Amino acid sequence: DAGVIQSPRHEVTEMGQEVTLRCKPISGHDYLFWYRQTMMRGLELLIYFNNNVPIDDSGMPEDRFSAKMPNASFSTLKIQPSEPRDSAVYFCASSLAGAGYEQYFGPGTRLTVT
Amino acid sequence: AQTVTQSQPEMSVQEAETVTLSCTYDTSENNYYLFWYKQPPSRQMILVIRQEAYKQQNATENRFSVNFQKAAKSFSLKISDSQLGDTAMYFCAFLRYNQGGKLIFGQGTELSVKP
Repeated sequence: DAGVIQSPRHEVTEMGQEVTLRCKPISGHDYLFWYRQTMMRGLELLIYFNNNVPIDDSGMPEDRFSAKMPNASFSTLKIQPSEPRDSAVYFCASSLAGAGYEQYFGPGTRLTVT
Repeated sequence: AQTVTQSQPEMSVQEAETVTLSCTYDTSENNYYLFWYKQPPSRQMILVIRQEAYKQQNATENRFSVNFQKAAKSFSLKISDSQLGDTAMYFCAFLRYNQGGKLIFGQGTELSVKP
């Protein structure tokens, strides 16, 4: 299996621009998670989906953040407009219910907003 | 609410020696999962080991083993025969049983293996 795929791996953008991060979960997994990692706050869960339906978005910091999962093999996390404090590594992870719920992480997207 | 605490921000160990990383958690749940994840400098999050709370036997994966003390709410990770490639940040994580959702992570322990 190819594992969780994220793109881009690195993104540098200017404040105010729209940023879209993409994720392809492991085939057959029914849960998908978006995390953010910073030195100050550690690993934070932003939102997660079950069978393409958002279950808990309480970690989404502001209305500037939105996430979609149009089908079982694709999800996006969008930031509009971006701000310097959004600079972080964003991880996508997926898991399968009934198989121990182990979450498998993608390589992450390092976002820098200048 | 569940919390996970890793009280050792940094640790170091000599190559080939054994090191133990500590983790405590707080929950009122009886059934849950516990995990250790490794994040090397490449920043990839890698699952190291998993423990189900209803299992009394401690999980082992090659050189990695845990000491799960349910009553004490303690979940330590022992790395035997440490290798340079074990240098990484290690995160302890908690998951409520059948929730499938929110992994609660500790703050992490940065482990350096010295030659």
